[in-house]
Amino acid sequence: AQKVTQAQTEISVVEKEDVTLDCVYETRDTTYYLFWYKQPPSGELVFLIRRNSFDEQNEISGRYSWNFQKSTSSFNFTITASQVVDSAVYFCALSEAGNFGNEKLTFGTGTRLTIIP
Amino acid sequence: DTGVSQDPRHKITKRGQNVTFRCDPISEHNRLYWYRQTLGQGPEFLTYFQNEAQLEKSRLLSDRFSAERPKGSFSTLEIQRTEQGDSAMYLCASSEEGFGPQYEQYFGPGTRLTVT
Repeated sequence: AQKVTQAQTEISVVEKEDVTLDCVYETRDTTYYLFWYKQPPSGELVFLIRRNSFDEQNEISGRYSWNFQKSTSSFNFTITASQVVDSAVYFCALSEAGNFGNEKLTFGTGTRLTIIP
Repeated sequence: DTGVSQDPRHKITKRGQNVTFRCDPISEHNRLYWYRQTLGQGPEFLTYFQNEAQLEKSRLLSDRFSAERPKGSFSTLEIQRTEQGDSAMYLCASSEEGFGPQYEQYFGPGTRLTVT
């Protein structure tokens, strides 16, 4: 069975500090996909990134970067020079290549990030 | 291109009543998912449609829950004889068919159900 663990329940940092959100996953499949979603106070989940299990290259998008390490089953997310608008709950999720192409997502419990001005 | 829409956004009902939620996916998305999110938790998968066919249901979906997607467009989720444990945010997501970065799931704003 697939599982995603986000051990950090809540993190608070002062604006402009860097912050890393941890994600550890479990799966028996060799083909899988990892995601990060952001859920701001408005409640709507916003897609941030998707990586497949065959691509371990780190990715950077503006202030966001992701570190995927299969050896430790981790997919960590770093925000550099944090801003107040980054305050939200962040979810890591896993999808296996399921039956009938069902890419259902298994989410972690989320990390609530608060950026203090 | 409008996003995924859900109606109503909030629903308060008394225990034992039936409720129905609607989800309108992004047009031309043939995959539709329902998830449930309780306070402090991540969303949990409930069921999945490919076009009008319901292809998978989670064990979380008891017999009191039923979902439909007639004609492969909008979907409804009905809960019969609601219980206080059904109080949650019900999220709908849609995606195109296939694997790849462009096929991520787009989520609607959710319907928050409160059972009193």
